[in-house]
Amino acid sequence: DADVTQTPRNRITKTGKRIMLECSQTKGHDRMYWYRQDPGLGLRLIYYSFDVKDINKGEISDGYSVSRQAQAKFSLSLESAIPNQTALYFCATSDGDTLKQFFGPGTRLTVL
Amino acid sequence: AQSVAQPEDQVNVAEGNPLTVKCTYSVSGNPYLFWYVQYPNRGLQFLLKYITGDNLVKGSYGFEAEFNKSQTSFHLKKPSALVSDSALYFCAVRDTFDDYKLSFGAGTTVTVRA
Repeated sequence: DADVTQTPRNRITKTGKRIMLECSQTKGHDRMYWYRQDPGLGLRLIYYSFDVKDINKGEISDGYSVSRQAQAKFSLSLESAIPNQTALYFCATSDGDTLKQFFGPGTRLTVL
Repeated sequence: AQSVAQPEDQVNVAEGNPLTVKCTYSVSGNPYLFWYVQYPNRGLQFLLKYITGDNLVKGSYGFEAEFNKSQTSFHLKKPSALVSDSALYFCAVRDTFDDYKLSFGAGTTVTVRA
């Protein structure tokens, strides 16, 4: 969905490096999410935010941190990347009226 | 805790044949259920949802889903599959305590052969 953008789209990094994945949205939604997708495991929630002052851990937050800089921006950081964080990462926003989630195109992260 | 299960990793059908992707759920209370589709190199896209009302829900791209409370199932269906329906399909259920959180199944890869 072009209304939710993620940068970078692909990233290769080394163990121990700090990485930031960025997400921006123009949908005007308050709620934003970060997921990781692994083959055979579906999507797992890392962090979610209800607004700029409200950040919540998801089911797999260890090793990750987030920042909600504005309603439209939600960044995911890996403070010290490790190989098992190699995955496809998705940002999403939520429509409060319909409960739909709108996903960005994803960031493919490889940690060597 | 709420959860969904997709018992098939892969579904293969011929173009023009009916397509069914299975999903079963486990929730306390009334289930809010969703189907999403992921085309290659794309993010997930919403297909349809069940919240209440008719057990047969119609969605995007000619898909529909049937809610069955007694069997705790929410199978996705399409009467006549297209090659362009080849994608990864996810079933999801709303979190019991937070309307805006979803739990996703592992996904089912659908391949429609010409």
